[in-house]
Amino acid sequence: DQQVKQNSPSLSVQEGRISILNCDYTNSMFDYFLWYKKYPAEGPTFLISISSIKDKNEDGRFTVFLNKSAKHLSLHIVPSQPGDSAVYFCASRFQGAQKLVFGQGTRLTINP
Amino acid sequence: SQTIHQWPATLVQPVGSPLSLECTVEGTSNPNLYWYRQAAGRGLQLLFYSVGIGQISSEVPQNLSASRPQDRQFILSSKKLLLSDSGFYLCAWSLQGNQPQHFGDGTRLSIL
Repeated sequence: DQQVKQNSPSLSVQEGRISILNCDYTNSMFDYFLWYKKYPAEGPTFLISISSIKDKNEDGRFTVFLNKSAKHLSLHIVPSQPGDSAVYFCASRFQGAQKLVFGQGTRLTINP
Repeated sequence: SQTIHQWPATLVQPVGSPLSLECTVEGTSNPNLYWYRQAAGRGLQLLFYSVGIGQISSEVPQNLSASRPQDRQFILSSKKLLLSDSGFYLCAWSLQGNQPQHFGDGTRLSIL
């Protein structure tokens, strides 16, 4: 049972426009959510996180939105840049747990 | 600042051979440590995690084992590798609480 789902395996966006990556989760006991970016043959890099007590967190070009009633998480990147082309993973953590549950990833391609 | 080292970067092993992958963290004390595997085109699967020396939690039944002989050292092992053990292995660390995990650059393991 996939508790964290990224239903879009890939996404293409034009440079300068907004990229929106989506993630759905099934367990209401998740209380901490993260986004990671991964280039080929490298480990994932932490981008941004949000606690369940918030509905928005912003860091530069990256904003994460949390809709708890819909059990939905999204990452907005604006403006999108060529270096943003990578695979993006969302991850969630159970309340009080030490481990994360990852989605399958979405490959983002920024076109010039 | 904290750094995580994982080696080797790539490894080709015959079926039935043993395995030892090492991961060390610098610049922090008593981190949580994690081993993940990413199969081709798939998300990140948590294999083991450790909250302290000698404390190992296994997430999935498998052909692998993990050990934490020192505070900042995490080792992934196998006595006899299977073809299905091929994949990209990632080590990560985190602090306690609502803190992100930080990943090493991974080991690409190919079993022949």
